[in-house]
Parts: sequence; C-alpha cells; structure tokens
Amino acid sequence: DTGVSQDPRHKITKRGQNVTFRCDPISEHNRLYWYRQTLGQGPEFLTYFQNEAQLEKSRLLSDRFSAERPKGSFSTLEIQRTEQGDSAMYLCASSLGGRNEQFFGPGTRLTVL
Amino acid sequence: GQNIDQPTEMTATEGAIVQINCTYQTSGFNGLFWYQQHAGEAPTFLSYNVLDGLEEKGRFSSFLSRSKGYSYLLLKELQMKDSASYLCAAGGNDYKLSFGAGTTVTVRA
Repeated sequence: DTGVSQDPRHKITKRGQNVTFRCDPISEHNRLYWYRQTLGQGPEFLTYFQNEAQLEKSRLLSDRFSAERPKGSFSTLEIQRTEQGDSAMYLCASSLGGRNEQFFGPGTRLTVL
Repeated sequence: GQNIDQPTEMTATEGAIVQINCTYQTSGFNGLFWYQQHAGEAPTFLSYNVLDGLEEKGRFSSFLSRSKGYSYLLLKELQMKDSASYLCAAGGNDYKLSFGAGTTVTVRA
C-alpha cells in the first residue's frame, strides 16, 4: 500500500502522560500536514511541513505540542502532559506541492482518561 | 480568518439527487475542495475547483462561484454507500485547508 500511513491507530493514555504519533506520507510528497478532528467537526489545521521545514503552526498548537520531520520523510507529533481536551482524531495528510489535493492517512484516535 | 458554512444534515432516497451548499470566507483563496468521510475513516478527496463553473466527475459534480464565495457538491443517482459526511474545504494562504464542519448525508432505501 502506497498511501499515507499513521501509527498507532488508537492510543489510550492517562492525563499527564506524553504520547507520540508517527505519520509516513506518500513517498514523493514534499508537503505534510497535521490536523485534529473532534466528533461532528471538520479537521482543524495544526501544522505543516515542506520537506523538513516546519512552515506554520496553528494557534491551536500549544507549547505542549511539538512536531518534527527530521529527514523530510516521516513526521512525528508529540503531545506532552496530555489533557482530557486533547482527546481527538489526529490526521496526517500529504501532497505534492501546495496546489494539489491532500491525501489523508487513517488517523490516530487519542483518548485521554 | 476562515469561515466555512455548510448544512449539518441532509436526507435523500436512493436514486435521487442531493445538492450540498457551502459558503466560504477566506484570505488568499486558492481553490475549493470537497472530501467524503465515512464514519471512523479518513477523508477521501472528491473534487477541486479553482475557476468558476462546474466540474463533473461521474455521479459527482462540483460548482464554484468565486465572486459569491459559494460552492456546491451535487450527488446524482444516490446509492446507499454514499451515506457519509461531506466536507467542504477552502484552500487559503499557502494552500492550507480550512474545513467546514461537514454535512452528514443519509441515503434511505
């Protein structure tokens, strides 16, 4: 399968713990995006990379959140000191350049107890 | 900022046509995307409009009017498998997507 993959698919954690998610984009795609989606809402933009450079972070992304794309391929999203409000589906998408459609991965569903 | 509005829910019968409207306000507009999302799954790309007019793709068509900040997605010959959420998304500055909350379409037999 050559689509966008994400790992893990589900994560249950206790409040205060740190979690890390991974996204592997489509191999030739230079852009990688992270979104968060809660029930009944559309995805909300968090941050994006062009190659290894992080170009923008949403105001939704507090200092507890950090994202990296060290070699311009896979990306990680870390949440430190998780809170119950962080419970959501975290979606990763990739595209070839900016003006083409974004292809989404299956998402990581985070539940913070 | 971005503001994307679309109806919350629509219901139609199998074989019918449904039109989902979307209005948007965004800075640096770079096209209008429609995605389909089945419950518990990732959004999948349906269509992209950057110029005014109608784009047709099989049973699905999408229309854009940039001057009115308006788009619609037309689903024809509805099938049960079309029951899903349909997300309208505006491409803004640097092509970041701003999504609406989605329209849940229920197809009844």
